[in-house]
Amino acid sequence: NAGVMQNPRHLVRRRGQEARLRCSPMKGHSHVYWYRQLPEEGLKFMVYLQKENIIDESGMPKERFSAEFPKEGPSILRIQQVVRGDSAAYFCASSPTGTPADYGYTFGSGTRLTVV
Amino acid sequence: AQKVTQAQTEISVVEKEDVTLDCVYETRDTTYYLFWYKQPPSGELVFLIRRNSFDEQNEISGRYSWNFQKSTSSFNFTITASQVVDSAVYFCALREGGIKTGANNLFFGTGTRLTVIP
Repeated sequence: NAGVMQNPRHLVRRRGQEARLRCSPMKGHSHVYWYRQLPEEGLKFMVYLQKENIIDESGMPKERFSAEFPKEGPSILRIQQVVRGDSAAYFCASSPTGTPADYGYTFGSGTRLTVV
Repeated sequence: AQKVTQAQTEISVVEKEDVTLDCVYETRDTTYYLFWYKQPPSGELVFLIRRNSFDEQNEISGRYSWNFQKSTSSFNFTITASQVVDSAVYFCALREGGIKTGANNLFFGTGTRLTVIP
């Protein structure tokens, strides 16, 4: 059983470029959550998605960041016109349902974004 | 508002010593879930335990044990006979119950960096 798969593991972008981070949830999981970990900090919630729906984006920056989870394929976190402050580790988690009882167990290994 | 405090930023112990990592939380919900995660130097996030608010039983898993006390809003984590492989950053996290904006996620503490010295 493959866990939550994130790629790439490391991503380097120049200021102003776009970054695309991918997350494939565990098999059978249709709920995806994205978190950001700034250096020397804990993880902070960004967005919660189901297939083709954004359920809660209360943690997403208002500009340059977007997320999607299409009917087919992985969830994508997209950062446009990256700046140095976007350098962080981005983690994805998945669950089979949105109920609290199912959530919290499974995170991917993260994508480390470095903006130069 | 929910809050998780891990007051110990860094701890160093000598191998085979016991160590306790503190976690204090705040929430207004009566139903909530508490978690501990380990983040080794390789960077991935490893789930260790989940506890719901209705279950105050302490838990032991090998060298790990957890002490959940609702009276003091604490969920402390003890490693017995620490080993070098325990060196990592440990995060405590809280999720409130129910389906509402802002509750569909885990709220993390800032972590405690544990270094076990051989």
